[in-house]
Amino acid sequence: RKEVEQDPGPFNVPEGATVAFNCTYSNSASQSFFWYRQDCRKEPKLLMSVYSSGNEDGRFTAQLNRASQYISLLIRDSKLSDSATYLCVVNRGANNLFFGTGTRLTVIP
Amino acid sequence: DTAVSQTPKYLVTQMGNDKSIKCEQNLGHDTMYWYKQDSKKFLKIMFSYNNKELIINETVPNRFSPKSPDKAHLNLHINSLELGDSAVYFCASMLTGGTGELFFGEGSRLTVL
Repeated sequence: RKEVEQDPGPFNVPEGATVAFNCTYSNSASQSFFWYRQDCRKEPKLLMSVYSSGNEDGRFTAQLNRASQYISLLIRDSKLSDSATYLCVVNRGANNLFFGTGTRLTVIP
Repeated sequence: DTAVSQTPKYLVTQMGNDKSIKCEQNLGHDTMYWYKQDSKKFLKIMFSYNNKELIINETVPNRFSPKSPDKAHLNLHINSLELGDSAVYFCASMLTGGTGELFFGEGSRLTVL
């Protein structure tokens, strides 16, 4: 079983839509969690960390469910500039970070 | 100023050759990584060094040999290149005990013919 699993998509949504991505991880001892964004032919960049209590950054909301080993990312009021691949990342400890395969999002005008 | 820089950005070579990719970070981080992103876009960890010491060595053929001369540099040497080595190789760095954010270089796109 992969360390981190994501629905690869693609998700094609109209501007203004709300879209949610999910991610599961296999190692219950995983310590910290993140969402990264990767634009086409670019390097991944941190979008936001994911905290146990859930956290929000503008239009983006991240949730963590440790019991179910599940992480989510919600994007409200999608913009064209949100089109990218969203990567779920899990730190298994000792700085050992594992990436999901990514979920590709295209926001359509 | 580029925080994590890799060279070369593009590399096209024949099967069987040996090649190196270099990485340097000026962020003062103590941990550096090599990741491989294949054609299916899956980003897989290969190696990690902390203060010049190898701490993570995932299942990677021993044709791949990382070297860290100091904590700001992590190079990757690949012997006897194979077609399946074609990928984008990303260097990244992180500060232990920091926010946990990985900072990536722009990637080195390797094509083996």
